[in-house]
Amino acid sequence: DIVMTQTPLSLPVTPGEPASISCRSSQSLLDNDDGSIFLDWYLQKPGQSPQLLIYTLSFRASGVPDRFSGSGSGTYFTLNISRVEADDVGVYYCMQHIDFPYTFGQGTKLQI
Amino acid sequence: EVQLVESGGDLVHPGGSLRLSCLASGFTFSRHDMHWVRQPTGKGLEWVSTITTSGDTYFPRSVKGRFTISRDNGKNSLFLQMNSLTAGDTALYYCTRGALGFCSGGSCYGKDAFDVWGQGTMVTVSS
Repeated sequence: DIVMTQTPLSLPVTPGEPASISCRSSQSLLDNDDGSIFLDWYLQKPGQSPQLLIYTLSFRASGVPDRFSGSGSGTYFTLNISRVEADDVGVYYCMQHIDFPYTFGQGTKLQI
Repeated sequence: EVQLVESGGDLVHPGGSLRLSCLASGFTFSRHDMHWVRQPTGKGLEWVSTITTSGDTYFPRSVKGRFTISRDNGKNSLFLQMNSLTAGDTALYYCTRGALGFCSGGSCYGKDAFDVWGQGTMVTVSS
């Protein structure tokens, strides 16, 4: 199974400041056939269901502000928030779906 | 409005069975792979099952042989049959939709990202 490891697990932030969350996979998430990276980011706000933020490494889901960006390659990935807002609090998860079983990172709790 | 509504969660004894349902609306259900994801209270997310548009099914080792996923495209419904339940299966179970994605320049993007989530249905396994 592909193991997804996120750091940090807790991230205190100040509104207006940038934030960064890392995710590492135990195997490459690169599809050699078409070059896509099967890595997504999800945000679970307090009391809510998770929502898709970023798919295929760097594509923002519909309605996601451009303050959010995803980057990385192969086995190391980063979610960046350029300027944190109060509404960004919650738990962020990375997930790989290049191979079954799909696996999530442990989650990173972003708190103001 | 695109929506997924789960139902069927309940309190069940260890060794018991339960069938979860997910009713989809607002999109062409038959075109999407569908998934179940669970979350124990206060803990992280765990993928539980996938059924593709062609009916292929996938499970992690933790539930393989005990859980069955199925779909009824005519009723826009997804199901999860759970047998031989243990305390470790206690969680909020989410139904999620796999995105269709798109292809451009020889590469494809977004396929099977979990782009729509239901509100979840709670399964508690306890004596």
